[in-house]
Amino acid sequence: DGGITQSPKYLFRKEGQNVTLSCEQNLNHDAMYWYRQDPGQGLRLIYYSQIVNDFQKGDIAEGYSVSREKKESFPLTVTSAQKNPTAFYLCASSMGRVNSPLHFGNGTRLTVT
Amino acid sequence: AQSVTQLDSHVSVSEGTPVLLRCNYSSSYSPSLFWYVQHPNKGLQLLLKYTSAATLVKGINGFEAEFKKSETSFHLTKPSAHMSDAAEYFCVVSDRYGGSQGNLIFGKGTKLSVKP
Repeated sequence: DGGITQSPKYLFRKEGQNVTLSCEQNLNHDAMYWYRQDPGQGLRLIYYSQIVNDFQKGDIAEGYSVSREKKESFPLTVTSAQKNPTAFYLCASSMGRVNSPLHFGNGTRLTVT
Repeated sequence: AQSVTQLDSHVSVSEGTPVLLRCNYSSSYSPSLFWYVQHPNKGLQLLLKYTSAATLVKGINGFEAEFKKSETSFHLTKPSAHMSDAAEYFCVVSDRYGGSQGNLIFGKGTKLSVKP
């Protein structure tokens, strides 16, 4: 079955620690995305990548970093510089064309205390 | 600049009655429009999309939406609600000529409750 796998589903960290969220897809999609979801705010774009070894900042990239070394994988690191990291993080992929719909993973809920 | 407004943050209906979730958009070019559904603690799933073909778009699970350029609206409807429709729904706009898909704009969501 093709799809997007995010792991882990729940993640707990202490303030000041970096943490990396995994996202893997086997849909052969060129483009991948990370969104942050907070209650009542919809989805906000953190980073996106349209091809391997290239990525662009989204609307709220500060305090986050990504890499795209393989087509299938787009990990997101939440650094200690992110002021308010507790949120639900969603990874998505698409064929990369303007009208292509997004395919989403089931998300990772990060709690930082 | 693009924007999307979901006019209701919460809609409550009884099972078997019609559903209407409202979405207005603003776009400089000819837009593509999408509706996604999200069940609790899950990712988003595509319900339907409009890309300048027929203005009435049919989606999964009996949902449909009508693109009305004169009203800049893309409201989502279903004739008869089912308990399993209870979820959050997102309207999304993308400029046809916007190039990168980093230009997708999500509405803030409408939470649909369905009463037995």
